[in-house]
Amino acid sequence: DGGITQSPKYLFRKEGQNVTLSCEQNLNHDAMYWYRQDPGQGLRLIYYSQIVNDFQKGDIAEGYSVSREKKESFPLTVTSAQKNPTAFYLCASIKPGGVNEQFFGPGTRLTVL
Amino acid sequence: RKEVEQDPGPFNVPEGATVAFNCTYSNSASQSFFWYRQDCRKEPKLLMSVYSSGNEDGRFTAQLNRASQYISLLIRDSKLSDSATYLCVVRPNQGGKLIFGQGTELSVKP
Repeated sequence: DGGITQSPKYLFRKEGQNVTLSCEQNLNHDAMYWYRQDPGQGLRLIYYSQIVNDFQKGDIAEGYSVSREKKESFPLTVTSAQKNPTAFYLCASIKPGGVNEQFFGPGTRLTVL
Repeated sequence: RKEVEQDPGPFNVPEGATVAFNCTYSNSASQSFFWYRQDCRKEPKLLMSVYSSGNEDGRFTAQLNRASQYISLLIRDSKLSDSATYLCVVRPNQGGKLIFGQGTELSVKP
């Protein structure tokens, strides 16, 4: 089955530690996205990548970093510079052409203690 | 003004009711429009795209009014399983990023 996987589902970290969230897709999609969702709010774009070895900042990139070394993988690092990292993080990819539906992974719920 | 703004919720309705959600967007050049559904603590999933002429999928009807920059979603004969948060989503230009509204929570009661 094709899809997007994110791991882990729940993640706890101490304040001041960097943490990397995994996102893998086997849909052969070029474009991948990282969003953050806080309670009662919509999704806010952190970073996105249209193609391997290229990525752009979204609306709230400060305190985050990404890499796109492979088409299938788009890991997100939450650094200690992110002031309020506790949130639900969602990775998505998009099929080019047609409806341009975004497919989402199941998300990682990060809690910083 | 937010780029995409939805009716504040929550909407609490009895089974069988008809409920409508509204959404406005600020960029008049926006190209594509969608409604996504998000269950509690889960990822969003595409419910339906919104076409200029309006479109229907079973009990769900989506409408687009470009002149007023307004999108709507109508749910007829609500089921308990319709309880979720509904996200209005706009793509300002072809191939560009998606802009999400804050979501409207629907709770359907027996």
